Amino acid sequence: EPEVTQTPSHQVTQMGQEVILRCVPISNHLYFYWYRQILGQKVEFLVSFYNNEISEKSEIFDDQFSVERPDGSNFTLKIRSTKLEDSAMYFCASSQDPSPSTDTQYFGPGTRLTVL
Amino acid sequence: RKEVEQDPGPFNVPEGATVAFNCTYSNSASQSFFWYRQDCRKEPKLLMSVYSSGNEDGRFTAQLNRASQYISLLIRDSKLSDSATYLCVVNNQAGTALIFGKGTTLSVSS
Repeated sequence: EPEVTQTPSHQVTQMGQEVILRCVPISNHLYFYWYRQILGQKVEFLVSFYNNEISEKSEIFDDQFSVERPDGSNFTLKIRSTKLEDSAMYFCASSQDPSPSTDTQYFGPGTRLTVL
Repeated sequence: RKEVEQDPGPFNVPEGATVAFNCTYSNSASQSFFWYRQDCRKEPKLLMSVYSSGNEDGRFTAQLNRASQYISLLIRDSKLSDSATYLCVVNNQAGTALIFGKGTTLSVSS
C-alpha cells in the first residue's frame, strides 16, 4: 500500500537555527499538507499546497515558515529561525483531491522536532 | 468556543464493552466529518467518515446531527487493539484543511 514518508524521524536543533523537514507524498497525489501537534495538544493545520502554490494557510504559518516542492517527489517545510515553541511533531499529508468530502488525506509518520 | 470539542477521557473499559464518544463542532458551515484514530506518538489514521444518515463499519457506528452540531462514535465489543486516542475531525470552511479535536483516549483491558 502506498504511503507518505517523512525524514528525519527526529530532528534536534538549537533555537534560532533553520530546519528543513522532508516529505515524500504518495506518488499520484496532487495536494499536500503540513500539520503539527505539540505534545499533549491537538493536531493543527499549517498549510496546504497545490500546483506549486500555497492554497491555504493558518495563522500559525507565519513568515518564518515556508514550503516548497523542489522536485517531482519531495515536499518540504522550512522553519527559518526556530523557537522553543516550534517543538512539536510535524505531519505531512497528501491527497488526490483537495476536498475532504471526496478524498482522504493520508498522513506520514511525522518528524519530531525538538528545539533546545 | 473551541472549533471541535471532545471529552478527553480516559475511558477505561473491559474487553467486550460498548463505549460511546461524543464531539461538538462550532462551525455550522462544516461539510465533512470524520473519526480518526491515533496511537501513541503515531500519525492520525482515518477510521471512518461520518455521513448525515449515520453509517456503520463493522463494530463502529458513527452518527451526525447537523442541527445540534454533534458527532458520535459507538464502538461495540471492544478489543484490546481498540486502545488509542479517537480524534473527531471536521473540514474547515474552505473545505481543504482538517480541523481536529484534541481526542478522547480509550483504554481497553482484559
